[in-house]
Amino acid sequence: GAVVSQHPSRVICKSGTSVKIECRSLDFQATTMFWYRQFPKQSLMLMATSNEGSKATYEQGVEKDKFLINHASLTLSTLTVTSAHPEDSSFYICSAPRSGGRTDTQYFGPGTRLTVL
Amino acid sequence: ILNVEQSPQSLHVQEGDSTNFTCSFPSSNFYALHWYRWETAKSPEALFVMTLNGDEKKKGRISATLNTKEGYSYLYIKGSQPEDSATYLCAFISGSARQLTFGSGTQLTVLP
Repeated sequence: GAVVSQHPSRVICKSGTSVKIECRSLDFQATTMFWYRQFPKQSLMLMATSNEGSKATYEQGVEKDKFLINHASLTLSTLTVTSAHPEDSSFYICSAPRSGGRTDTQYFGPGTRLTVL
Repeated sequence: ILNVEQSPQSLHVQEGDSTNFTCSFPSSNFYALHWYRWETAKSPEALFVMTLNGDEKKKGRISATLNTKEGYSYLYIKGSQPEDSATYLCAFISGSARQLTFGSGTQLTVLP
Protein backbone atom coordinates (compact mmCIF):
# COMPACT_ATOMS: atom_id res chain seq x y z
CA GLY A 1 0.00 0.00 0.00
CA ALA A 2 0.89 3.64 -0.28
CA VAL A 3 3.12 5.13 2.39
CA VAL A 4 3.02 8.59 3.91
CA SER A 5 5.69 9.69 6.33
CA GLN A 6 5.48 12.53 8.80
CA HIS A 7 8.30 14.20 10.68
CA PRO A 8 8.89 14.84 13.49
CA SER A 9 6.77 12.39 15.43
CA ARG A 10 7.06 14.40 18.59
CA VAL A 11 8.18 17.94 19.32
CA ILE A 12 8.37 20.00 22.46
CA CYS A 13 9.00 23.71 22.07
CA LYS A 14 8.87 26.93 24.00
CA SER A 15 6.04 29.38 23.62
CA GLY A 16 6.69 31.84 20.81
CA THR A 17 8.76 29.56 18.63
CA SER A 18 7.72 28.18 15.25
CA VAL A 19 7.49 24.51 14.47
CA LYS A 20 7.56 22.90 11.03
CA ILE A 21 5.95 19.53 10.37
CA GLU A 22 6.66 17.66 7.15
CA CYS A 23 4.35 15.25 5.36
CA ARG A 24 5.77 13.17 2.51
CA SER A 25 4.17 10.70 0.16
CA LEU A 26 6.91 8.11 -0.36
CA ASP A 27 5.70 6.03 -3.27
CA PHE A 28 3.10 8.16 -5.02
CA GLN A 29 2.55 11.73 -6.06
CA ALA A 30 -0.01 13.72 -4.11
CA THR A 31 -1.41 16.87 -5.63
CA THR A 32 -3.59 17.20 -2.56
CA MET A 33 -2.81 16.56 1.07
CA PHE A 34 -4.99 17.14 4.11
CA TRP A 35 -3.93 18.38 7.54
CA TYR A 36 -5.92 17.38 10.59
CA ARG A 37 -5.74 18.20 14.26
CA GLN A 38 -6.96 16.00 17.08
CA PHE A 39 -7.70 17.06 20.62
CA PRO A 40 -7.89 14.38 23.34
CA LYS A 41 -10.91 12.10 22.97
CA GLN A 42 -12.14 14.02 19.95
CA SER A 43 -12.31 13.27 16.27
CA LEU A 44 -9.84 14.28 13.60
CA MET A 45 -10.73 17.84 12.62
CA LEU A 46 -9.74 18.99 9.15
CA MET A 47 -7.64 22.13 9.33
CA ALA A 48 -6.76 22.70 5.71
CA THR A 49 -6.35 21.19 2.28
CA SER A 50 -2.87 21.54 0.86
CA ASN A 51 -2.75 21.95 -2.93
CA GLU A 52 0.44 21.44 -4.89
CA GLY A 53 1.44 24.63 -6.66
CA SER A 54 -1.34 26.78 -5.24
CA LYS A 55 -2.59 28.20 -1.97
CA ALA A 56 -3.97 25.98 0.72
CA THR A 57 -7.67 26.00 1.50
CA TYR A 58 -8.36 26.54 5.18
CA GLU A 59 -11.40 25.41 7.12
CA GLN A 60 -13.53 27.93 8.93
CA GLY A 61 -11.94 29.07 12.17
CA VAL A 62 -8.39 28.04 11.24
CA GLU A 63 -6.00 30.98 11.14
CA LYS A 64 -4.02 30.86 7.92
CA ASP A 65 -1.33 33.16 9.30
CA LYS A 66 -0.92 30.91 12.29
CA PHE A 67 -0.81 27.62 10.42
CA LEU A 68 1.26 28.13 7.29
CA ILE A 69 0.99 25.40 4.67
CA ASN A 70 3.37 24.95 1.78
CA HIS A 71 2.96 22.23 -0.86
CA ALA A 72 6.01 22.88 -2.96
CA SER A 73 6.29 19.50 -4.65
CA LEU A 74 4.12 16.52 -5.51
CA THR A 75 5.48 14.57 -2.57
CA LEU A 76 5.89 17.12 0.21
CA SER A 77 3.58 19.35 2.20
CA THR A 78 4.68 21.26 5.27
CA LEU A 79 2.66 22.74 8.12
CA THR A 80 4.35 25.47 10.12
CA VAL A 81 2.83 26.45 13.43
CA THR A 82 4.02 30.02 13.85
CA SER A 83 4.59 31.62 17.25
CA ALA A 84 3.28 28.56 18.97
CA HIS A 85 1.40 28.87 22.25
CA PRO A 86 0.31 26.24 24.77
CA GLU A 87 -3.19 26.13 23.25
CA ASP A 88 -1.60 24.91 20.00
CA SER A 89 -0.48 21.75 21.78
CA SER A 90 -2.23 18.94 19.98
CA PHE A 91 -1.82 15.96 17.69
CA TYR A 92 -1.38 16.90 14.03
CA ILE A 93 -1.74 14.35 11.25
CA CYS A 94 -1.64 14.53 7.48
CA SER A 95 -3.19 12.36 4.80
CA ALA A 96 -3.16 12.07 1.05
CA PRO A 97 -5.38 10.27 -1.45
CA ARG A 98 -3.43 8.33 -4.04
CA SER A 99 -5.32 9.74 -6.99
CA GLY A 100 -7.42 12.55 -5.58
CA GLY A 101 -10.87 11.09 -6.11
CA ARG A 102 -13.49 11.69 -3.43
CA THR A 103 -13.93 8.02 -2.71
CA ASP A 104 -10.21 7.42 -2.63
CA THR A 105 -8.71 5.81 0.40
CA GLN A 106 -6.70 8.27 2.43
CA TYR A 107 -3.14 7.31 3.33
CA PHE A 108 -2.14 8.81 6.63
CA GLY A 109 1.12 9.78 8.18
CA PRO A 110 1.76 8.57 11.73
CA GLY A 111 1.11 12.02 13.20
CA THR A 112 3.05 14.60 15.19
CA ARG A 113 2.51 15.28 18.88
CA LEU A 114 3.22 18.96 19.55
CA THR A 115 3.69 20.19 23.08
CA VAL A 116 4.19 23.90 23.61
CA LEU A 117 5.54 24.86 27.01
CA ILE B 1 -21.46 21.23 10.39
CA LEU B 2 -21.87 17.55 9.59
CA ASN B 3 -22.45 15.28 12.55
CA VAL B 4 -20.78 11.87 12.43
CA GLU B 5 -21.21 9.84 15.58
CA GLN B 6 -19.71 6.53 16.62
CA SER B 7 -20.83 4.26 19.38
CA PRO B 8 -19.76 2.93 21.71
CA GLN B 9 -16.84 5.21 22.52
CA SER B 10 -14.90 2.25 23.89
CA LEU B 11 -15.37 -1.47 24.15
CA HIS B 12 -13.61 -4.36 25.88
CA VAL B 13 -14.21 -7.89 24.64
CA GLN B 14 -12.66 -11.27 25.30
CA GLU B 15 -10.57 -13.00 22.69
CA GLY B 16 -12.83 -15.07 20.47
CA ASP B 17 -15.90 -12.87 20.99
CA SER B 18 -17.58 -11.26 18.03
CA THR B 19 -18.38 -7.59 18.27
CA ASN B 20 -19.86 -4.72 16.32
CA PHE B 21 -20.05 -0.96 16.48
CA THR B 22 -21.97 1.79 14.79
CA CYS B 23 -21.29 4.88 12.74
CA SER B 24 -24.18 7.34 12.26
CA PHE B 25 -24.09 10.05 9.64
CA PRO B 26 -26.48 12.43 7.86
CA SER B 27 -28.82 10.45 5.62
CA SER B 28 -29.22 13.24 3.09
CA ASN B 29 -26.70 14.06 0.38
CA PHE B 30 -24.62 10.92 0.95
CA TYR B 31 -21.56 10.31 -1.19
CA ALA B 32 -19.28 7.80 0.54
CA LEU B 33 -18.32 6.34 3.91
CA HIS B 34 -14.83 5.24 4.92
CA TRP B 35 -13.74 2.96 7.75
CA TYR B 36 -10.20 3.10 9.16
CA ARG B 37 -8.34 1.14 11.81
CA TRP B 38 -5.88 3.11 13.94
CA GLU B 39 -3.46 1.20 16.10
CA THR B 40 -1.52 3.03 18.76
CA ALA B 41 1.68 4.68 17.46
CA LYS B 42 0.84 3.78 13.86
CA SER B 43 -0.87 5.48 10.93
CA PRO B 44 -4.60 4.99 10.42
CA GLU B 45 -5.10 2.20 7.92
CA ALA B 46 -7.98 2.03 5.46
CA LEU B 47 -10.44 -0.83 5.86
CA PHE B 48 -13.34 -0.03 3.55
CA VAL B 49 -14.78 2.61 1.26
CA MET B 50 -18.52 2.21 0.86
CA THR B 51 -20.67 4.06 -1.60
CA LEU B 52 -23.91 2.18 -2.28
CA ASN B 53 -26.89 1.65 -0.02
CA GLY B 54 -26.93 -1.97 1.05
CA ASP B 55 -23.20 -2.38 0.43
CA GLU B 56 -21.55 -5.10 2.43
CA LYS B 57 -17.78 -5.42 2.41
CA LYS B 58 -15.52 -7.98 4.00
CA LYS B 59 -11.81 -8.20 4.79
CA GLY B 60 -10.88 -11.36 6.64
CA ARG B 61 -12.80 -11.40 9.94
CA ILE B 62 -13.94 -7.80 9.55
CA SER B 63 -17.02 -6.78 7.62
CA ALA B 64 -19.12 -3.66 7.25
CA THR B 65 -22.63 -2.82 6.11
CA LEU B 66 -24.09 0.44 4.90
CA ASN B 67 -27.59 1.92 5.12
CA THR B 68 -27.60 5.33 3.47
CA LYS B 69 -31.36 5.83 3.78
CA GLU B 70 -31.27 5.74 7.57
CA GLY B 71 -27.71 7.01 7.89
CA TYR B 72 -25.72 4.27 9.58
CA SER B 73 -22.97 1.77 9.01
CA TYR B 74 -22.03 -1.21 11.15
CA LEU B 75 -18.56 -2.67 11.50
CA TYR B 76 -18.41 -6.30 12.61
CA ILE B 77 -15.43 -8.25 13.87
CA LYS B 78 -15.84 -12.01 14.08
CA GLY B 79 -13.76 -13.95 16.59
CA SER B 80 -11.85 -10.95 17.94
CA GLN B 81 -8.12 -11.33 18.45
CA PRO B 82 -5.77 -9.18 20.58
CA GLU B 83 -4.26 -7.77 17.38
CA ASP B 84 -7.66 -6.30 16.55
CA SER B 85 -7.22 -3.89 19.45
CA ALA B 86 -7.30 -0.42 17.89
CA THR B 87 -9.47 2.62 17.42
CA TYR B 88 -11.91 2.22 14.54
CA LEU B 89 -12.80 5.45 12.77
CA CYS B 90 -15.53 6.11 10.29
CA ALA B 91 -15.52 9.12 7.97
CA PHE B 92 -18.31 10.54 5.84
CA ILE B 93 -18.24 12.45 2.57
CA SER B 94 -21.34 14.36 1.52
CA GLY B 95 -22.31 14.98 -2.06
CA SER B 96 -21.06 18.55 -1.97
CA ALA B 97 -17.85 18.04 -0.04
CA ARG B 98 -14.43 16.88 -1.02
CA GLN B 99 -13.13 16.20 2.47
CA LEU B 100 -13.82 13.53 5.02
CA THR B 101 -15.69 14.29 8.24
CA PHE B 102 -14.56 11.88 10.92
CA GLY B 103 -16.36 10.38 13.86
CA SER B 104 -14.51 10.28 17.18
CA GLY B 105 -13.89 6.57 16.92
CA THR B 106 -14.59 3.39 18.85
CA GLN B 107 -11.65 2.16 20.90
CA LEU B 108 -11.63 -1.63 20.94
CA THR B 109 -9.59 -3.64 23.41
CA VAL B 110 -9.49 -7.41 22.97
CA LEU B 111 -8.43 -9.17 26.14
CA PRO B 112 -6.47 -12.42 25.80
